[in-house]
Amino acid sequence: AIQMTQSPSSLSASVGDRVTITCRANQVIRVDVGWYQHKPGKAPNLLIYATSTLQGGVPSRFSGRGSGTDFTLTISSLQPEDSATYYCVQDYNYPHTFGQGTKLEIK
Amino acid sequence: QLQLQESGPGLVKPSETLSLRCSISGGSISSDDYHWSWIRQAPGKGLEWIGSINYSGKTYYNPSLESRLIVSGDTSRKQFSLKLLSVTAADTAVYYCARKHYGAGRPPFDAWGQGILVTVAS
Repeated sequence: AIQMTQSPSSLSASVGDRVTITCRANQVIRVDVGWYQHKPGKAPNLLIYATSTLQGGVPSRFSGRGSGTDFTLTISSLQPEDSATYYCVQDYNYPHTFGQGTKLEIK
Repeated sequence: QLQLQESGPGLVKPSETLSLRCSISGGSISSDDYHWSWIRQAPGKGLEWIGSINYSGKTYYNPSLESRLIVSGDTSRKQFSLKLLSVTAADTAVYYCARKHYGAGRPPFDAWGQGILVTVAS
């Protein structure tokens, strides 16, 4: 199975900061990566798919880049409501695999 | 608007079978555009893909669960199901059902149920 190594595992940033989360796959997966925001007690929310396509209704401060094995999620100007855990997932093949998650705290 | 809803017991005894159902409204599992999936999150852990089923009943399983897992679909009742055999405390988790678009460049898991907590304990 493809492994997705996500970093950092946690980070703390201030409102207005730019933050970047990284996922690295252990093999080439084209651009088949999605990113989710997960808040306690809620279902995960799809932010980005196919590396860089913004899901409908998602604010434009979220963006994704990458190809091959290295992928990033960037939040350009952090807002208080962005406090959550973020996950990447590869849907290049089955079994689909998630990164370990990044817990984002707003200072 | 597609809606998914998980149902089933919230408490299962060790060594017994965990059975969950996902009911679909505003859509159907008969479409070849989607795979219908189960994902879980154990307490304090990350998300784990469990398995998926397509419109023709073809299944895809997480190798770590495959020997204990059955995912099935019922097109007439617009639902799909999960059975996990011989459960242990390690299977305690919030279980989600979700829709995945089939095909390259399409959104994975774009619609989710609210999740159901299943606790394995005697």
